[in-house]
Amino acid sequence: ETGVTQTPRHLVMGMTNKKSLKCEQHLGHNAMYWYKQSAKKPLELMFVYNFKEQTENNSVPSRFSPECPNSSHLFLHLHTLQPEDSALYLCASSQDWVQGEQYFGPGTRLTVT
Amino acid sequence: DQQVKQNSPSLSVQEGRISILNCDYTNSMFDYFLWYKKYPAEGPTFLISISSIKDKNEDGRFTVFLNKSAKHLSLHIVPSQPGDSAVYFCAASAGTGNQFYFGTGTSLTVIP
Repeated sequence: ETGVTQTPRHLVMGMTNKKSLKCEQHLGHNAMYWYKQSAKKPLELMFVYNFKEQTENNSVPSRFSPECPNSSHLFLHLHTLQPEDSALYLCASSQDWVQGEQYFGPGTRLTVT
Repeated sequence: DQQVKQNSPSLSVQEGRISILNCDYTNSMFDYFLWYKKYPAEGPTFLISISSIKDKNEDGRFTVFLNKSAKHLSLHIVPSQPGDSAVYFCAASAGTGNQFYFGTGTSLTVIP
């Protein structure tokens, strides 16, 4: 595998379920990100991890819980979500939490019923 | 309020002609700008960048122009090819360690 991978690619969950999104980067990068993309809205940054430490949390509700066990893996744990949380969730990585391009995974299309 | 805006949701261009995608921003502190391209079912891929010390950056068929006084940047693709059909996002940040703000994207269709 190369680049940034995300699993699952599609997820349908009820509001009472608990699920997790997984992201893995094979680029040797030190920073990883979760973004949310809703229909007709720009990408919204949710969380940033730099060297496994969370550096940004953009006022994301606590029903989204990130975990970064090492610099190659990033998880987003989901529980008691709302239908408005249905969106494309994109993971990205970059060399460091500095200026420079970010490399994105293909995303997880999440539908909350 | 959106700090980065792409006011044209879609654009159609004939193959071989020039495609011009536009992006406006409101934050005068932004000093680094990126363009990404996104195909369906794939994540965005980095295309080209420009910092505020320049007003033009060129990479093959792709050129980005920055007009700081107008808070406007544009991406020129010439000649356009059918494989360029994708959604293009611009993004801006206000310096090292600051997040990128993205536009909503422009869907480009290049007609063979």
